[in-house]
Amino acid sequence: DSGVTQTPKHLITATGQRVTLRCSPRSGDLSVYWYQQSLDQGLQFLIQYYNGEERAKGNILERFSAQQFPDLHSELNLSSLELGDSALYFCASSVAPGTNTGELFFGEGSRLTVL
Amino acid sequence: EDQVTQSPEALRLQEGESSSLNCSYTVSGLRGLFWYRQDPGKGPEFLFTLYSAGEEKEKERLKATLTKKESFLHITAPKPEDSATYLCAVQARTGGFKTIFGAGTRLFVKA
Repeated sequence: DSGVTQTPKHLITATGQRVTLRCSPRSGDLSVYWYQQSLDQGLQFLIQYYNGEERAKGNILERFSAQQFPDLHSELNLSSLELGDSALYFCASSVAPGTNTGELFFGEGSRLTVL
Repeated sequence: EDQVTQSPEALRLQEGESSSLNCSYTVSGLRGLFWYRQDPGKGPEFLFTLYSAGEEKEKERLKATLTKKESFLHITAPKPEDSATYLCAVQARTGGFKTIFGAGTRLFVKA
């Protein structure tokens, strides 16, 4: 158990809908990362937050948004869903960029299926 | 642009047959290179961090090495429980410390 909690574990929805994925980082970790993993793309970096502020952005679509709250949990919002958004979405946390060895601790993921 | 390429895509070994996985990378100032293990349906699990060329790390049957352009994950006398996808990732000194992953090598070890 990595200590990172993601909910829901599974989600099935229809095209055009909106969903919210939630992540609670390990106790004491200030940084949260979101990744998308699909069969043909591998782990794609979406966005990183540190102590409530956005720190880095990857290939995140405009239909997707995220935020980190004062209690350090994070939410990833996916809207106007398309079939191609079906994937595993992982959240990872770390203590703080630049102050540790850099390793990430991953949750079990949220599997999104868009029908 | 930071990039990580792993080879081979898949590797099938007999139990006890040692081999190596390759990770080639290009990054604007390497802060760290990481190896993770991922089991089906699970999140990646951290294995090693390497910081500079010439560095080596070991854990049980796994040994990771680093040069200026690539890293190797050597697997000595693998067992079936070593079957998993092994991911290589790099973190740059700039760009907010984002970690970029390769596509992974799927390892199958047959008893």
